[in-house]
Amino acid sequence: DIVMTQSPDSLAVSLGERATINCKSSQSVLHSSNNKNYLVWYQQKPGQPPKLLISWASTRESGVPDRFSGSGSGTDFTLTISSLQAEDVAVYHCQQHLESLTFGGGTKVEIK
Amino acid sequence: QVQLVQSGAEVKKPGASVRVSCKASGYTFNTYGISWVRQAPGQGLEWMGWISPYNGDTEYAQNVQGRVTMTTDTSTSTAYMELRSLRSDDTAVYYCARAPPRGGPGRGWYMDVWGKGTTVTVSS
Repeated sequence: DIVMTQSPDSLAVSLGERATINCKSSQSVLHSSNNKNYLVWYQQKPGQPPKLLISWASTRESGVPDRFSGSGSGTDFTLTISSLQAEDVAVYHCQQHLESLTFGGGTKVEIK
Repeated sequence: QVQLVQSGAEVKKPGASVRVSCKASGYTFNTYGISWVRQAPGQGLEWMGWISPYNGDTEYAQNVQGRVTMTTDTSTSTAYMELRSLRSDDTAVYYCARAPPRGGPGRGWYMDVWGKGTTVTVSS
């Protein structure tokens, strides 16, 4: 199985500041035949189900604010919130779907 | 709008079975898969399996294989997940989620729409 490791487990960021979450896979999730990274990010607010934020490592879903961005390739990925808003308090999960699917452990983002 | 509406909370004794339903609306049911994901209290997300409403194909995660059965009823656009021989560590919120078709060489799925979740509590 592909193991997904997120860091940090939690972080506290001041309003308006940048938040950076890392996700590392135990093997590459880049498929050579189509040059796509099989990596998505979800946001899960307290008491709610996960919400798809970013697919294919860097494609924002419709309606997702542009302060959210995804980057990276192969085994190392980053979700960046460029200017943290109060409504961004949540747990963020990465997930690979190259082989079956596995989730990272989640990163809790709070306001400092 | 696309919606997945799940059945209500359940309380079960160890060794019992539970069946959770997930009714889809707002899209053509048999053109997307359905994945089931659970989340134990305070823990991360754990994928349980996937089913194709189109042809009934399933894939189950190793951690629940042998105890889980996923089915669909296309006449009512409803997916079902049955988990047997329940243990206390099966206590969790169970989510159904829509899985877009693979459409490429990858062999997994991601989920673009999620149900609100069904709380299953296993306790003697």
